[in-house]
Amino acid sequence: DAKTTQPPSMDCAEGRAANLPCNHSTISGNEYVYWYRQIHSQGPQYIIHGLKNNETNEMASLIITEDRKSSTLILPHATLRDTAVYYCIVRSLNNAGNMLTFGGGTRLMVKP
Amino acid sequence: ETGVTQTPRHLVMGMTNKKSLKCEQHLGHNAMYWYKQSAKKPLELMFVYNFKEQTENNSVPSRFSPECPNSSHLFLHLHTLQPEDSALYLCASSQVPHGTSSEQYFGPGTRLTVT
Repeated sequence: DAKTTQPPSMDCAEGRAANLPCNHSTISGNEYVYWYRQIHSQGPQYIIHGLKNNETNEMASLIITEDRKSSTLILPHATLRDTAVYYCIVRSLNNAGNMLTFGGGTRLMVKP
Repeated sequence: ETGVTQTPRHLVMGMTNKKSLKCEQHLGHNAMYWYKQSAKKPLELMFVYNFKEQTENNSVPSRFSPECPNSSHLFLHLHTLQPEDSALYLCASSQVPHGTSSEQYFGPGTRLTVT
């Protein structure tokens, strides 16, 4: 699976949009972009995933560039409870065993 | 509440002890996983079970022994651990085959301290 690069940390003001970037320049055509987050002392939580179209659900929006080499996770109105480490993972459907390879992620701090 | 439970939540054990971690999923999934999260390191996949069969062992030392008696339960048996094995051990489950969606659901983890 392709490797991802994320900034180690970001701050966001409460109530504002949080835009978390991810670079995956070596992504191949059959690889999806997944986002998970891990709130302190909890297990990771699935947020959203996409292939090439932008996606939105009740938690977030995922914007994937046309060349698919980067993406942005958007939390439209960040709250203090969104403070967490956010992981961007690229994964192929052909990945045997459904393995997820976690990197260092981005530590998002939402401030009052 | 994710539908994946883990017990115990905290465990302190000596290097000569034998203990087991338990994971149970109530989601009807058929794949289960063990991950290790050490301080200041990314999550590391340890074992994968698909349909109760182990399909992945990510070069884990033999002092860690997984067991999957059925698709809802997963155990991690521990013996003669080292202090560097102290970490958060996370269990997850997912559905296989998964089509376009293969999200994994994680339990809250067991915080293990080896003294």
